[in-house]
Amino acid sequence: SQQGEEDPQALSIQEGENATMNCSYKTSINNLQWYRQNSGRGLVHLILIRSNEREKHSGRLRVTLDTSKKSSSLLITASRAADTASYFCAPQTGSARQLTFGSGTQLTVLP
Amino acid sequence: SQTIHQWPATLVQPVGSPLSLECTVEGTSNPNLYWYRQAAGRGLQLLFYSVGIGQISSEVPQNLSASRPQDRQFILSSKKLLLSDSGFYLCAWSFGQGNEQYFGPGTRLTVT
Repeated sequence: SQQGEEDPQALSIQEGENATMNCSYKTSINNLQWYRQNSGRGLVHLILIRSNEREKHSGRLRVTLDTSKKSSSLLITASRAADTASYFCAPQTGSARQLTFGSGTQLTVLP
Repeated sequence: SQTIHQWPATLVQPVGSPLSLECTVEGTSNPNLYWYRQAAGRGLQLLFYSVGIGQISSEVPQNLSASRPQDRQFILSSKKLLLSDSGFYLCAWSFGQGNEQYFGPGTRLTVT
């Protein structure tokens, strides 16, 4: 399937450090989206990067996309305890632009 | 601005009982609508999507069905719940295709 696969599965860092999460997928995409999910809650949209873009920024977030390697990365700079959550990448394909999700990266930021 | 509502927030239902989960979107018209399910500790699985009233596409064979009786209303149903239907159900909407999808708060369903 075309689901995104996040790596690592779990990441634990100290507050103030940077966190990098990677995503790989299998076939051509229209765009790729990153989401955050706090425990037991709904998903919060972070960034959408289109297939013709290579890098995108939003506040402390930086997303890269390498379509030749079918991979993306999410960098959170100067992390905070409130960044603790699960992070998912979701390649978007199909006629209705369906999203497919992997199992996510569980990020823990220690105060 | 647009908002998306889901109810109920939590639901405990016995095996064999019917199900109806509702999702509504405010502040937009003719959105694409989606139903996802998330099993514990896993990613989301797309169940159904709709690009217009009465237009439903199913992604996986299952015990569930979806309907879109109004432009901004999306309903997930089952006639007889199975234990395996337990999970976290999320509704999402987007402006047309190829754009951001925004998720509702979800419904946690436990089938006992």
